[in-house]
Amino acid sequence: QLQLQESGPGLVKPSETLSLTCTVSGGSISSSRFYWDWIRQPPGKGLEWIGSISYSGTTYYTPSLKSRVTISVDTSKNHFSLKLSSVTAADTAVYYCASHLYTSGWTPADYWGQGTLVTVSS
Amino acid sequence: DIVMTQSPDSLAVSLGERATINCKSSQSVLYTSNNKNFLAWYQQKPGQPPKLLIYWASTRESGVPDRFSGSGSGTDFTLTISSLQAEDVAVYYCQQYYTTPFTFGPGTKVDIK
Repeated sequence: QLQLQESGPGLVKPSETLSLTCTVSGGSISSSRFYWDWIRQPPGKGLEWIGSISYSGTTYYTPSLKSRVTISVDTSKNHFSLKLSSVTAADTAVYYCASHLYTSGWTPADYWGQGTLVTVSS
Repeated sequence: DIVMTQSPDSLAVSLGERATINCKSSQSVLYTSNNKNFLAWYQQKPGQPPKLLIYWASTRESGVPDRFSGSGSGTDFTLTISSLQAEDVAVYYCQQYYTTPFTFGPGTKVDIK
């Protein structure tokens, strides 16, 4: 059974770059069957999908964040990462990593990390 | 982007009674070639990540109690909790995974009356 764990700074200054890593255990990030996602949730608000990446590096991003987001995968470390540049207070949120199968089409995320709160403040 | 809406925003139901949540997508999430609706339901309790309950609009995830059921097709969907239990107090989200960007509904908070 897959387990995902987010890690990274809990506090980021405005205009700087938010960087998070999701470490995968119980399975290989190199599996062609999976896509790996980042999703965020501002305090007290709903869920926002940020983007997905395959083991080979194919990425999909939500348009509203596309200019500031980079998702990458490191198969040697069995983890994938999120970078969000030029952050503002509006980027304060719990950031989740998740995984879902891609077979003959998309499927919903069925494995999630516990989430990590990132606060943007000076 | 496909916009997801949910109703009501919140509801309070007596223990053992039925709870019904509606979800609507701005365009169809039915893939006609395989007749599958790319619609999922998640349950989120405070301080926890979302938990997948239902996918393909009506298929229960393994281990999900059968009091949870999903129905609907195209653009209109429903999550029903047939007999509300105390542990069902949570926020419920629908999500379309028909196309990127995957989008969630705003959530429906379910409480005990």
